[in-house]
Amino acid sequence: SAVISQKPSRDICQRGTSLTIQCQVDSQVTMMFWYRQQPGQSLTLIATANQGSEATYESGFVIDKFPISRPNLTFSTLTVSNMSPEDSSIYLCSAETGGTDTQYFGPGTRLTVL
Amino acid sequence: TQLLEQSPQFLSIQEGENLTVYCNSSSVFSSLQWYRQEPGEGPVLLVTVVTGGEVKKLKRLTFQFGDARKDSSLHITAAQPGDTGLYLCAGRFSGTYKYIFGTGTRLKVLA
Repeated sequence: SAVISQKPSRDICQRGTSLTIQCQVDSQVTMMFWYRQQPGQSLTLIATANQGSEATYESGFVIDKFPISRPNLTFSTLTVSNMSPEDSSIYLCSAETGGTDTQYFGPGTRLTVL
Repeated sequence: TQLLEQSPQFLSIQEGENLTVYCNSSSVFSSLQWYRQEPGEGPVLLVTVVTGGEVKKLKRLTFQFGDARKDSSLHITAAQPGDTGLYLCAGRFSGTYKYIFGTGTRLKVLA
């Protein structure tokens, strides 16, 4: 298994600013994912963070708005840029070791944009 | 667009009752996971199924993967208040690396 931590756990931000969320895994993993979740609802995949290359974004999400870094096999960041109240949500990172079909999640970052 | 439909969306039952949650798609999964999520926490993996017809048990929880690998079910026997939470299925479709999450089932077990 993998243990995943996220920072910050929550934040309240002003519109127009940016927030970077950090995701740390306690072991090397091949794939890391970033999701968004509205309270009480399901998860929507934002992008897959690839080590050594650009992230792969899902439809409706763009790099300028959600830049992602993956500098090594245990760490990734997601930035929410030029925030608006519509960006208020829970942001989750997850990790999977190669070929296991097993995905482990961090505790999430609850973001409120005023 | 690949979709995972879960039913029911909401479920409120009394302690001791049994329940079943369904996860359905029109596409074939290469693997499917079930998660439970509690407020303020990330989803916690309950089980992964990969073989059509597979049945896995985790204490009072029984997971079944359809023979055609297009559907799955989660059955809880003698539900307890500690089973309360959001249950999510997530499927990985053949030829892809990403997971698609189901619409979710919010379960509340009353003491």
